[in-house]
Amino acid sequence: DAGVIQSPRHEVTEMGQEVTLRCKPISGHDYLFWYRQTMMRGLELLIYFNNNVPIDDSGMPEDRFSAKMPNASFSTLKIQPSEPRDSAVYFCASSLGGVGTEAFFGQGTRLTVV
Amino acid sequence: AQTVTQSQPEMSVQEAETVTLSCTYDTSESDYYLFWYKQPPSRQMILVIRQEAYKQQNATENRFSVNFQKAAKSFSLKISDSQLGDAAMYFCAYRRFIAGGTSYGKLTFGQGTILTVHP
Repeated sequence: DAGVIQSPRHEVTEMGQEVTLRCKPISGHDYLFWYRQTMMRGLELLIYFNNNVPIDDSGMPEDRFSAKMPNASFSTLKIQPSEPRDSAVYFCASSLGGVGTEAFFGQGTRLTVV
Repeated sequence: AQTVTQSQPEMSVQEAETVTLSCTYDTSESDYYLFWYKQPPSRQMILVIRQEAYKQQNATENRFSVNFQKAAKSFSLKISDSQLGDAAMYFCAYRRFIAGGTSYGKLTFGQGTILTVHP
């Protein structure tokens, strides 16, 4: 398996633009997590899904952020409109529940909003 | 809600020496998993070691071992014979167990500790 795949690796956008980050989890994994990493706040859990259903989105900072998982092999995190303070590295991770609890991370997307 | 605290923003160690990274967590649950992840400059998150809460024996992976104190809610990582390649940010993480099932849910991380290894 290729592991968790995130795209793009880097994204530079202007304030006010819509940004969509994409994630393909490891095949067969039933949990998917979105994290945001900044120097100030560390690694924050934004939202996680179980079997494509959002379980906890309490970490989503504002209504400008939304996440979807239309099927078991794809998830998106959207920011609309984007702001400079959204600049961070966004990670997607997936894992199996019940059998092995290790979360496997993608390479992350470095987002810069100017 | 579960919280994970790493009180050491930065640590340093001489090559070949031993260093211990601290982690405490807050939970009311009795079943859970604890992890240490390593994030080198490449940004890739790498699992270092895991501990099941129901196991009293401390986990060990080669030069990495943990000191798991369940009553104190403490989970420290010891790195023996430190190597230059151990330099990274280390994250402690907690994963809850969903009662009544066999699933594991929310995965929460601490703030991280930057480890520097001096030659």
